[in-house]
Amino acid sequence: QKEVEQNSGPLSVPEGAIASLNCTYSDRGSQSFFWYRQYSGKSPELIMSIYSNGDKEDGRFTAQLNKASQYVSLLIRDSQPSDSATYLCAVYRGSQGNLIFGKGTKLSVKP
Amino acid sequence: KAGVTQTPRYLIKTRGQQVTLSCSPISGHRSVSWYQQTPGQGLQFLFEYFSETQRNKGNFPGRFSGRQFSNSRSEMNVSTLELGDSALYLCASSSDRANEQFFGPGTRLTVL
Repeated sequence: QKEVEQNSGPLSVPEGAIASLNCTYSDRGSQSFFWYRQYSGKSPELIMSIYSNGDKEDGRFTAQLNKASQYVSLLIRDSQPSDSATYLCAVYRGSQGNLIFGKGTKLSVKP
Repeated sequence: KAGVTQTPRYLIKTRGQQVTLSCSPISGHRSVSWYQQTPGQGLQFLFEYFSETQRNKGNFPGRFSGRQFSNSRSEMNVSTLELGDSALYLCASSSDRANEQFFGPGTRLTVL
């Protein structure tokens, strides 16, 4: 089992729709969870962090964490073509002391 | 606040050579982590430095090394370059490793 798993996509949604990105992780001791956006040819940009169970909203973005199910998700409301990018899920493992990244989900928002 | 800076942005080297990459973290951040990103393997952790000490190391050969200076700037070195070392090398800074990490623009290394 991979440590952090994401559907590689591509996930295609029409402009204005909700994009739902999912991530599962294997280490129950994981403490912190992050979503990064990476445009082609650019470095990852932190867009959301979440540390406790439940939802966290920031503008059009909502991160959801369920530690019992070892599941993290990112919802993007009113998706825009500028949201087209690869979204990386990252999990901090206290036992190892580093971030582990999923391979990313490529999102395409069609006008 | 200025972001994370990395130099150089692009490098072309030949097999067997060595290379040094530099990273300046966000002011006040003492933790610097290095990652290698390739299309096949994704983002892989190399090592993390905090207050001039390597606190954690990923599963990379000893040809990959690093250090951190008293001003928190960090360098990583790759010796005896191999074709498979071609990648985007990213550094990320944070106030501490469990906290949010902010990436620099990366150094694109091509080994011929």
